[in-house]
Amino acid sequence: QKEVEQNSGPLSVPEGAIASLNCTYSDRGSQSFFWYRQYSGKSPELIMFIYSNGDKEDGRFTAQLNKASQYVSLLIRDSQPSDSATYLCAVNKAGGSYIPTFGRGTSLIVHP
Amino acid sequence: ETGVTQTPRHLVMGMTNKKSLKCEQHLGHNAMYWYKQSAKKPLELMFVYSLEERVENNSVPSRFSPECPNSSHLFLHLHTLQPEDSALYLCASSQGLAGGRDTQYFGPGTRLTVL
Repeated sequence: QKEVEQNSGPLSVPEGAIASLNCTYSDRGSQSFFWYRQYSGKSPELIMFIYSNGDKEDGRFTAQLNKASQYVSLLIRDSQPSDSATYLCAVNKAGGSYIPTFGRGTSLIVHP
Repeated sequence: ETGVTQTPRHLVMGMTNKKSLKCEQHLGHNAMYWYKQSAKKPLELMFVYSLEERVENNSVPSRFSPECPNSSHLFLHLHTLQPEDSALYLCASSQGLAGGRDTQYFGPGTRLTVL
């Protein structure tokens, strides 16, 4: 089992819809969870982080964490074509040095 | 200069060349990272430095040699590379490694092509 798993997609949604991106992780002791957005040919940029179970909202973005089920998701409301990118999930493993592990990323396409 | 910078942005080299990638962070962070990102593949962590000490080396071939002279600078020395080493090399930094909640900030990357 891979440490951090994401469906590679592409996930295609119409403009204005809600895009739902999911990520599962294997290390039950993981502490911190991050979502990065990466446009083609560019470097990843942080969108959100979440540490506690439940939802965390920031503008059109909502991160959801369920440690019991070991998944974290990112919801994008009112999707725009400019949201089209690859979304990377990263998880900080527990114990010693907290070195993040990245998932493969999910490609999102928002079409007009 | 702000954030994390990398030079050069693009590099083309032959298999017998020696070159170096440079990363500089202006954020006062204590941890720095090198990642490799190949087409259609996830980010591969190569090296991690915390307070100038290497704390992680993910079985990277010896033709890649990192150097961290201080907490603001990180180098990746390249020699005798192979065509399959062609990729986007990303540098990142974070406040530290001990807290577990530190966000990584990425540089723009160096697009490396090995002929």
